[in-house]
Amino acid sequence: DAGITQSPRHKVTETGTPVTLRCHQTENHRYMYWYRQDPGHGLRLIHYSYGVKDTDKGEVSDGYSVSRSKTEDFLLTLESATSSQTSVYFCAISEQRGDRGEQYFGPGTRLTVT
Amino acid sequence: AQRVTQPEKLLSVFKGAPVELKCNYSYSGSPELFWYVQYSRQRLQLLLRHISRESIKGFTADLNKGETSFHLKKPFAQEEDSAMYYCALIASGSRLTFGEGTQLTVNP
Repeated sequence: DAGITQSPRHKVTETGTPVTLRCHQTENHRYMYWYRQDPGHGLRLIHYSYGVKDTDKGEVSDGYSVSRSKTEDFLLTLESATSSQTSVYFCAISEQRGDRGEQYFGPGTRLTVT
Repeated sequence: AQRVTQPEKLLSVFKGAPVELKCNYSYSGSPELFWYVQYSRQRLQLLLRHISRESIKGFTADLNKGETSFHLKKPFAQEEDSAMYYCALIASGSRLTFGEGTQLTVNP
């Protein structure tokens, strides 16, 4: 497995509370991504980063923010968690942009919002 | 905008039978297509990409631009092939778009 870790691996939180998920890589890859995985929807991109302090929105970015202050860390924050954000969240990294870069995935974080 | 469709959410076959997981895409240009696989309790990982024209674990996939399809095939399924399979597309300079996934179960 590529050197990607996610923390926490499991979290249960209440509606309205802030939540931060962390993705850490040891591969020094430039690109980092956050996806959510839901039955019937596959994986959908939330946000991605193409360098330190350089981020952009994906297709389901509402309710989420990200930060990348170091190459190795990409944080996903739910400012005020809602039940619709109950999901499995995956971080991924890639060395190159888009059409030539294979993405390597982390183990996932299972988030439950009650 | 690009879109990937996997019409079968669940697919069940017997060991030794041929298997085909369907993938259709919509994109007006020339995309690059991938199949990713997630085995139980493992990470999502790349299985194969069309540009490599390779066979991985006995699986092949051919890009059919006329039918805008990239179906994944294996002539003889094995129990260890049971997994979730995702078809994915990258349009030029854009981001990876995944299909909804197909859960394949290979029965003994």
